[in-house]
Amino acid sequence: DVKVTQSSRYLVKRTGEKVFLECVQDMDHENMFWYRQDPGLGLRLIYFSYDVKMKEKGDIPEGYSVSREKKERFSLILESASTNQTSMYLCASSWTGGQPQHFGDGTRLSIL
Amino acid sequence: QKEVEQNSGPLSVPEGAIASLNCTYSDRGSQSFFWYRQYSGKSPELIMFIYSNGDKEDGRFTAQLNKASQYVSLLIRDSQPSDSATYLCAVNEVGNFNKFYFGSGTKLNVKP
Repeated sequence: DVKVTQSSRYLVKRTGEKVFLECVQDMDHENMFWYRQDPGLGLRLIYFSYDVKMKEKGDIPEGYSVSREKKERFSLILESASTNQTSMYLCASSWTGGQPQHFGDGTRLSIL
Repeated sequence: QKEVEQNSGPLSVPEGAIASLNCTYSDRGSQSFFWYRQYSGKSPELIMFIYSNGDKEDGRFTAQLNKASQYVSLLIRDSQPSDSATYLCAVNEVGNFNKFYFGSGTKLNVKP
């Protein structure tokens, strides 16, 4: 079974802090993704990566950056956290484009 | 604007009945279609994927795809209370297999 592990289930940070969310997958998948999920807005893609050190912006990249130094690990960085970034963050991975994406358990992030 | 539309529900069905969930998409030419189940407070879990017109069956689940009419459906036979969840439809962006668009989901209630 595919295992996508997110480093924290719950996280509380303060406005202005730099926040790191980590994601690791164990299936040698090429692609990795970061989404946020908000009530009424559904799942929205922040960034994705199709190879080590390769990244592409999704629909809502503002205020975020990502890092993929190793194939199995994909990090989401909130450069200067703001209250409107309070959300559920979901990491996913897939073999290649068009293949099913498998999700981690999610990180519920609160910015105070 | 690319759209994936789902009726938010809730859709209520009695135990043992067939639940029918529908999804329409705007991007003609999309080629990859997915159904995810999401329990409250949990992350999305892949149920089915379909790439070709017609039906695809897996146990109690059947995915139906009609590209000409731009809709994809999920049928759940012999519905169980444990099927009560929100069901998300996802469709790839035309020309970019890495990028999926998710509907906001249909909430299904299966009554014992």
